[in-house]
Amino acid sequence: GDSVTQMEGPVTLSEEAFLTINCTYTATGYPSLFWYVQYPGEGLQLLLKATKADDKGSNKGFEATYRKETTSFHLEKGSVQVSDSAVYFCALKSGGGADGLTFGKGTHLIIQP
Amino acid sequence: ETGVTQTPRHLVMGMTNKKSLKCEQHLGHNAMYWYKQSAKKPLELMFVYNFKEQTENNSVPSRFSPECPNSSHLFLHLHTLQPEDSALYLCASSQDAGGTETQYFGPGTRLLVL
Repeated sequence: GDSVTQMEGPVTLSEEAFLTINCTYTATGYPSLFWYVQYPGEGLQLLLKATKADDKGSNKGFEATYRKETTSFHLEKGSVQVSDSAVYFCALKSGGGADGLTFGKGTHLIIQP
Repeated sequence: ETGVTQTPRHLVMGMTNKKSLKCEQHLGHNAMYWYKQSAKKPLELMFVYNFKEQTENNSVPSRFSPECPNSSHLFLHLHTLQPEDSALYLCASSQDAGGTETQYFGPGTRLLVL
């Protein structure tokens, strides 16, 4: 079956540091890939997505590139802010089936001023 | 995204109680989902409805009973729950369950079973 593996953290960085959160996946076919973010006390919000190999999703300074050869979708940001502190979830959706998303366990990111 | 609302936001219930969680989406979507989020575990898909028809029941115990009266509303009826059912229950919607469209999530209902 489909699965997503991501570093669990917590990941603690100083403000303006470079961020990388690794995500690798196993799936049949060619899934769409997503990063969701969950702020304290809230539901999940879509951060970015990519639907085919070599696509780059980007939003709010975050980027991730769909790498089919390494089955990866690592999240990066050049300069993090305190407001980026949240839990980040990598997820995939295999097309064609009427089912939901497959999520990783989430990475808790803490940005210190 | 405020297009998906959930009530109540918090719920405490005993193991013999019966309660219901409600989800409503204002996005014109045709697919709705229930997920369970427990500490230290990935989000678990529970149920999928596509055009009001249930298309997925991910081996969920019968003490959880979903209902989808129309494309905009989704309920999760709860009865004789166990303490290990305490979790955040998230509702989501998308245009269609069969494709790879984005799923939009509600804020969740934090459930505590005593």
